[in-house]
Amino acid sequence: AQRVTQPEKLLSVFKGAPVELKCNYSYSGSPELFWYVQYSRQRLQLLLRHISRESIKGFTADLNKGETSFHLKKPFAQEEDSAMYYCANGGSQGNLIFGKGTKLSVKP
Amino acid sequence: SAVISQKPSRDICQRGTSLTIQCQVDSQVTMMFWYRQQPGQSLTLIATANQGSEATYESGFVIDKFPISRPNLTFSTLTVSNMSPEDSSIYLCSPGFGNQPQHFGDGTRLSIL
Repeated sequence: AQRVTQPEKLLSVFKGAPVELKCNYSYSGSPELFWYVQYSRQRLQLLLRHISRESIKGFTADLNKGETSFHLKKPFAQEEDSAMYYCANGGSQGNLIFGKGTKLSVKP
Repeated sequence: SAVISQKPSRDICQRGTSLTIQCQVDSQVTMMFWYRQQPGQSLTLIATANQGSEATYESGFVIDKFPISRPNLTFSTLTVSNMSPEDSSIYLCSPGFGNQPQHFGDGTRLSIL
């Protein structure tokens, strides 16, 4: 079965510090990877998808097939980045398989 | 992205009762996915609903507990049957648009006493 692993339950950094949220996936075919963000009391929102290769809110994520990773990075964290971040991989039916999520806390 | 409307947005129910959650999407979609997000947890797929066929359930979820209807390409319902406190979750539907990324609405926040 496909798995998405986010090893850190909580990541706490100071404002202005670099951030890296880790995500590893298991899939023998072509992965289709996403990062979703959930701010407090808000709906889940798409942040990035790997095929877009774009930067949203200063975040980037690079697919590394050799390491089966799709880590989310931002060079300078802001307090408003505090949220739950979920990595997800596309399933065989077009559904999403989510990791357990990482809570990012950016301190002033 | 599609506009996803779920009703009710939240409810508090007695154990042993059943609740039907409605999901309306503003465009036609082949697949509708139903997820559950238990308190403090990630999203887990319950089932995939195609119009005109029986829903496909994931391991750990059964039709008797979570019957699904898909009468047309813009609407689906999920019933949570014989509820217990362990069913307290946010239930979310998400339309599948093939290669397009999935989007989510606010979901239905369910609390069982």
